Amino acid sequence: AQSVTQLGSHVSVSEGALVLLRCNYSSSVPPYLFWYVQYPNQGLQLLLKYTSAATLVKGINGFEAEFKKSETSFHLTKPSAHMSDAAEYFCAVTPYNAGNMLTFGGGTRLMVKP
Amino acid sequence: GAVVSQHPSRVICKSGTSVKIECRSLDFQATTMFWYRQFPKKSLMLMATSNEGSKATYEQGVEKDKFLINHASLTLSTLTVTSAHPEDSSFYICSARDVRRGELFFGEGSRLTVL
Repeated sequence: AQSVTQLGSHVSVSEGALVLLRCNYSSSVPPYLFWYVQYPNQGLQLLLKYTSAATLVKGINGFEAEFKKSETSFHLTKPSAHMSDAAEYFCAVTPYNAGNMLTFGGGTRLMVKP
Repeated sequence: GAVVSQHPSRVICKSGTSVKIECRSLDFQATTMFWYRQFPKKSLMLMATSNEGSKATYEQGVEKDKFLINHASLTLSTLTVTSAHPEDSSFYICSARDVRRGELFFGEGSRLTVL
């Protein structure tokens, strides 16, 4: 079984500030990990994914995440927030052999202040 | 552009009627599609796994007679909410797996409002 915990349902940052969205997972087998972004009334867009290659993964829109097995974490970061980053972010996990059947975290709403 | 398309994006219906939502993979064949439900300000909950040519696999607690899933072809899965009630109002999202690209793509979602 696997699960995902996203610490902080709401995160607020100023424009230009560092963005840090936290994700911790549990999985009984090696996991694949994902970050998705969702804008209002839209589906999910993949930001980045970890599939057992490099532990530091770079994604779209300047986001990156680092897989830390010892901490069972996959936190999402961006050096400088932009107003357009305001959205809901979901961390998700799937066992490496589960055919992309994802388990999602509760989501974190990112707000960016001017 | 989108590689997985859902239709309709919004639907309003009266209580007791049935509503069908389509999920299409546009440029790849998908033997497996997934249906999620998202409550307001909540995460996505997997409802069922749709398998082309066979019965869908439902998650615990999801009524299979309420939420009928048909994976009629390699590019189309449909979710029918039967005898809809206001508590069925939600955002429904599908995803499809492109084996060739090794990636899961999500549809744009369908917002169902039952009056």
